[in-house]
Amino acid sequence: QITLQESGPTLVKPTQTLTLTCTFSGFSFSTSGVAVGWIRQPPGKALEWLALVNWRDDERYSSSLKSRLTITKDTSKNQVVLTMTNMDPLDTATYFCAHRWTHLWSFDYWGQGTLVTVSS
Amino acid sequence: QSALTQPASVSGSPGQSITISCTGTSNDVGDYHYVSWYQQHPDKAPKLLISEVNIRPSGISNRFSGSKSGNTASLTISGLQAEDEADYYCSSYSSINTQVFGTGTKVTVL
Repeated sequence: QITLQESGPTLVKPTQTLTLTCTFSGFSFSTSGVAVGWIRQPPGKALEWLALVNWRDDERYSSSLKSRLTITKDTSKNQVVLTMTNMDPLDTATYFCAHRWTHLWSFDYWGQGTLVTVSS
Repeated sequence: QSALTQPASVSGSPGQSITISCTGTSNDVGDYHYVSWYQQHPDKAPKLLISEVNIRPSGISNRFSGSKSGNTASLTISGLQAEDEADYYCSSYSSINTQVFGTGTKVTVL
């Protein structure tokens, strides 16, 4: 059974760096083809793909946010960490992590999401 | 990397069929077979309905079906039920080796 859980601060100030952790179970980065991505959704708005890391440590980033994002994985801890620098109120959103098989471009298992508010 | 275009809302009566369109470009929907569809109920995580244009994951009702023609993908919900009232998002692989989501469609069951 695959599960994912996001964790991190619920409130950050403008210009600060956000660090979110996705802790998962039911699969491992030791398995060929595994990938974990981050997706966000501002309140009342659409989903936005942010970043992805796979079992080979290949990283992919949204072209519009690439300069602000870093995604890393910790195979031993079954975790994926996303950092986003220079946070702005427009970054207020629910942030989801999700599992994907590398050869497919669809997320089959999702975490419940964590709401991050950017405000001074 | 612009979002894929979906109608803001679609509605139908119970038992009817509805179709949601998802329009992209030759850099995403048009050139790749990696279109997926998600259902999202309020305050819930998205749920995968369709992958690779028309493949239903295990456990997904056969009332949901997907197709693609040119730069436009479509999701059809047949035998519309009250529980189908939700937001629906398409997604596609993009040629710059990333992924893009659609603008989202709110489905209302009349």
